Amino acid sequence: QQQVKQSPQSLIVQKGGISIINCAYENTAFDYFPWYQQFPGKGPALLIAIRPDVSEKKEGRFTISFNKSAKQFSLHIMDSQPGDSATYFCAASKENYQLIWGAGTKLIIKP
Amino acid sequence: NAGVMQNPRHLVRRRGQEARLRCSPMKGHSHVYWYRQLPEEGLKFMVYLQKENIIDESGMPKERFSAEFPKEGPSILRIQQVVRGDSAAYFCASSPQQGLEDTEAFFGQGTRLTVV
Repeated sequence: QQQVKQSPQSLIVQKGGISIINCAYENTAFDYFPWYQQFPGKGPALLIAIRPDVSEKKEGRFTISFNKSAKQFSLHIMDSQPGDSATYFCAASKENYQLIWGAGTKLIIKP
Repeated sequence: NAGVMQNPRHLVRRRGQEARLRCSPMKGHSHVYWYRQLPEEGLKFMVYLQKENIIDESGMPKERFSAEFPKEGPSILRIQQVVRGDSAAYFCASSPQQGLEDTEAFFGQGTRLTVV
């Protein structure tokens, strides 16, 4: 019930391509769904977040798609760049600090 | 603003020793959260503190682990009698008000604890 399942574990995308990372949850009480970006040796940084009252949120090249009925949400990175190479984590929460995190996706953008 | 400062960045302890991890929140932030990250896994919530108060420690192991956020100075995560399974990256985050949903909430770079 408390899990957030993230896939794939790793992803290789050509420069300019679209990177897609998926997450699924079970607890319908979750009401906040952020994505974090983490570079090696650094702490995670909030990238973009969505609430269940909208189905999509876009910020620059990053888009979250949210499917409430399927209890799934995904991150799309358009025009992927080598600088986007990092580990991406999805998360969910119902208490606004007790985030439940996915296991992470290591994204590599090939030049 | 220097951001959330954690030290040390790397800490090596022998089994049975104590580990003390420090977190200085961003200036103006009075809410601190500690998370643990095991290799190849996401972060797991441990504890949420405000100045001089533990608000939620539901993610903390019942034994050997303690946390504090005194009126003056950094927040401290203390692990007594460390075991190999405590080896992990420990991250601290801070925010100006309750909640990591605040866009002003930030994570530190973490302390990587290795127990040998």
